[in-house]
Amino acid sequence: DTAVSQTPKYLVTQMGNDKSIKCEQNLGHDTMYWYKQDSKKFLKIMFSYNNKELIINETVPNRFSPKSPDKAHLNLHINSLELGDSAVYFCASSQAREDYGYTFGSGTRLTVV
Amino acid sequence: DQQVKQNSPSLSVQEGRISILNCDYTNSMFDYFLWYKKYPAEGPTFLISISSIKDKNEDGRFTVFLNKSAKHLSLHIVPSQPGDSAVYFCAATAEKGKSTFGDGTTLTVKP
Repeated sequence: DTAVSQTPKYLVTQMGNDKSIKCEQNLGHDTMYWYKQDSKKFLKIMFSYNNKELIINETVPNRFSPKSPDKAHLNLHINSLELGDSAVYFCASSQAREDYGYTFGSGTRLTVV
Repeated sequence: DQQVKQNSPSLSVQEGRISILNCDYTNSMFDYFLWYKKYPAEGPTFLISISSIKDKNEDGRFTVFLNKSAKHLSLHIVPSQPGDSAVYFCAATAEKGKSTFGDGTTLTVKP
């Protein structure tokens, strides 16, 4: 039973398209995150939701819009895709305990051509 | 501004020996430090954490050391096993549970 699941695992799309990545967690965690791992392997936080409320919104182009219909889901919608959006996007969730770490999904590799 | 740095992109050790992975940070407001392990095509997996009020935390073969004055932490793996071969990320947490990650060190444990 996958704790944090992301779909799709791979996404190849053309510039200018709009795409969504879905994320679901079955751990009962209150907080969910989106991280982006670029070609230099940095994991950078994009957004964080706590119980459907946006609590972290880093400097991300407004083409990226997170949606949390309930605390078990955090989807990422990207408009007008650009070449520079190519990366691996990780969803994660956590308990309200800073020492417990995140549980990550397996990532979505987005390639914009 | 890279607040968490792992200066060694790669490390190779012999099976059974000690692996030491290092991490430096700049933000004195970080209150928890964590290590994650990542295999290819998978998400990072949480390994061990340490509070900023401690200097050592141990869990089986994994020990994390924190030197606050030097703003430095390290992960020791003893004994190293081939299955430990992965990318290791250190991370630091401040407000709102936001974790800032280093750029990873690739550990190779040779049989």
